[in-house]
Amino acid sequence: GAVVSQHPSRVICKSGTSVKIECRSLDFQATTMFWYRQFPKKSLMLMATSNEGSKATYEQGVEKDKFLINHASLTLSTLTVTSAHPEDSSFYICSAPNPSTAGEQYFGPGTRLTVT
Amino acid sequence: EDQVTQSPEALRLQEGESSSLNCSYTVSGLRGLFWYRQDPGKGPEFLFTLYSAGEEKEKERLKATLTKKESFLHITAPKPEDSATYLCAVQASNTGNQFYFGTGTSLTVIP
Repeated sequence: GAVVSQHPSRVICKSGTSVKIECRSLDFQATTMFWYRQFPKKSLMLMATSNEGSKATYEQGVEKDKFLINHASLTLSTLTVTSAHPEDSSFYICSAPNPSTAGEQYFGPGTRLTVT
Repeated sequence: EDQVTQSPEALRLQEGESSSLNCSYTVSGLRGLFWYRQDPGKGPEFLFTLYSAGEEKEKERLKATLTKKESFLHITAPKPEDSATYLCAVQASNTGNQFYFGTGTSLTVIP
């Protein structure tokens, strides 16, 4: 079946550096992808909607200059956490709509970011 | 304002002890309600989609039901491998493909 992958699965970076996370749809095209953030023992918080060929749409309270999203192709969206700080440490998950079933989403396995 | 609330926050069951998880929602025009299972450190795994009140879906020991205000995930005779966090998400007619998640129910099934 359709699969969404994320890379890397885990990343540790120093405060002040930038980190790029990739989200790929492996056997289907996705004009839209979604980025979520999840804190320990909490639910998924929608951060932004990534749109192929146009600007991402950010949820209220999410800094667009902090979390840069680029939807470079129909199978790839990237989230770059710029000038990362320890409070950016979190589990980041992407999803893409199932092209066969209305409304359903495929989720990636997540990326654990730790900023030291 | 659209809201999704899950209860209980955590649930501990003995193996074989059936129970139900609740997801209450208030949205402007429900397009779909989704149940996912999430294991620690992993992304959500799809379980069910429900579109209209009265609809029911079953898969092994799980059964999902939907009314106009809430959804239940019934777990019959659970096993330890059913231990996970169960997430409910809704999609509203005015928000495109976006999902809004509840806070989840952490289920632990004790052997």
